[in-house]
Amino acid sequence: AQRVTQPEKLLSVFKGAPVELKCNYSYSGSPELFWYVQYSRQRLQLLLRHISRESIKGFTADLNKGETSFHLKKPFAQEEDSAMYYCALKRFGNEKLTFGTGTRLTIIP
Amino acid sequence: DTGVSQDPRHKITKRGQNVTFRCDPISEHNRLYWYRQTLGQGPEFLTYFQNEAQLEKSRLLSDRFSAERPKGSFSTLEIQRTEQGDSAMYLCASRPRGQNTGELFFGEGSRLTVL
Repeated sequence: AQRVTQPEKLLSVFKGAPVELKCNYSYSGSPELFWYVQYSRQRLQLLLRHISRESIKGFTADLNKGETSFHLKKPFAQEEDSAMYYCALKRFGNEKLTFGTGTRLTIIP
Repeated sequence: DTGVSQDPRHKITKRGQNVTFRCDPISEHNRLYWYRQTLGQGPEFLTYFQNEAQLEKSRLLSDRFSAERPKGSFSTLEIQRTEQGDSAMYLCASRPRGQNTGELFFGEGSRLTVL
């Protein structure tokens, strides 16, 4: 069975400081990893996925199969980054997304 | 708004009553998903439709839960004989045929409170 762990429920970072939201997973096969974000009063939406290897809103995430991690990083936090962030895993060829418990990120002005 | 639409947004019911939620996916999205989210947890997968066919169901979906998508468009999720443990946010999501990104488009959710 697959599992996603986000060890931090809450994370506060000063504006302009680097951000790292941790995500670890357990799955024996080749996973697809995603970060979803929910801003205040908005619906859950995709932020980025590991396959695309792109930077969205300054965020990047690298899949580390050796450490089974997919940490989300941003070098300089902005106030609009305050939101709930969920890491999610999908088995290749399967439709089910398994989410972590989420990290609430607060950027301190 | 042409996003995923869910109705009602909030439902308060007494234990033992039946409730039904409706989800209208984005037009032309043939895949539709139901998730449940309880306080402090991430969304948990309940079930998945491709067109009108229900292709996967979680063990979380007990006998009291039933989901349908009769014409491959909107979907309903019914909970019979509600229990306090059913209190949660019920999320619907959809994605289009042929999309390879795996991205799900979520609705705003239907919040159920069972008294």
